Amino acid sequence: DQQVKQNSPSLSVQEGRISILNCDYTNSMFDYFLWYKKYPAEGPTFLISISSIKDKNEDGRFTVFLNKSAKHLSLHIVPSQPGDSAVYFCAASRNQFYFGTGTSLTVIP
Amino acid sequence: EPEVTQTPSHQVTQMGQEVILRCVPISNHLYFYWYRQILGQKVEFLVSFYNNEISEKSEIFDDQFSVERPDGSNFTLKIRSTKLEDSAMYFCASSAGTSGVTDTQYFGPGTRLTVL
Repeated sequence: DQQVKQNSPSLSVQEGRISILNCDYTNSMFDYFLWYKKYPAEGPTFLISISSIKDKNEDGRFTVFLNKSAKHLSLHIVPSQPGDSAVYFCAASRNQFYFGTGTSLTVIP
Repeated sequence: EPEVTQTPSHQVTQMGQEVILRCVPISNHLYFYWYRQILGQKVEFLVSFYNNEISEKSEIFDDQFSVERPDGSNFTLKIRSTKLEDSAMYFCASSAGTSGVTDTQYFGPGTRLTVL
């Protein structure tokens, strides 16, 4: 039962360009969405979140967009930096958190 | 900067044995969580804990699992009789609790459990 899906297991982007990571969900009752970044051998690190009452939230180089009608979430990183290379998980919440399977981002110098 | 710590980093056990995974959340945090990630799969929510009781649990968190906050600093996950499919990375997380479930969760580095 995959309520949150990240259909791209990997993504490669040139340094300085925009990285766009996508996430789809099935449960219209989710009211809170998050993105986490994970480096190897470390726990997930919170990156940015958005409430279902908003359609955009921006924090520095990171912007999350929410399209409720399409049940689609995306994370934009601009400009991308080599240090952004990591696995990115989206998560959706009502009371519990449901995570996607992650997208491995590689930013090429 | 305060951080969540977990011990051990790697636990190897025989099937049917009990294991206890330990976590020290960030002090003054009020919500505590356990997640697991089976190798190559998604991170899965197991349980949340608040005010000395379970507030939410997933279908995965069956009678084999239990959580406890035995003192003011530790938060433990016990698996009573481990199965091969319990092999996974287990992450503990904590949050301040000021906004309930929407609080930022801070994750520990994880404990890799290997059941043989």
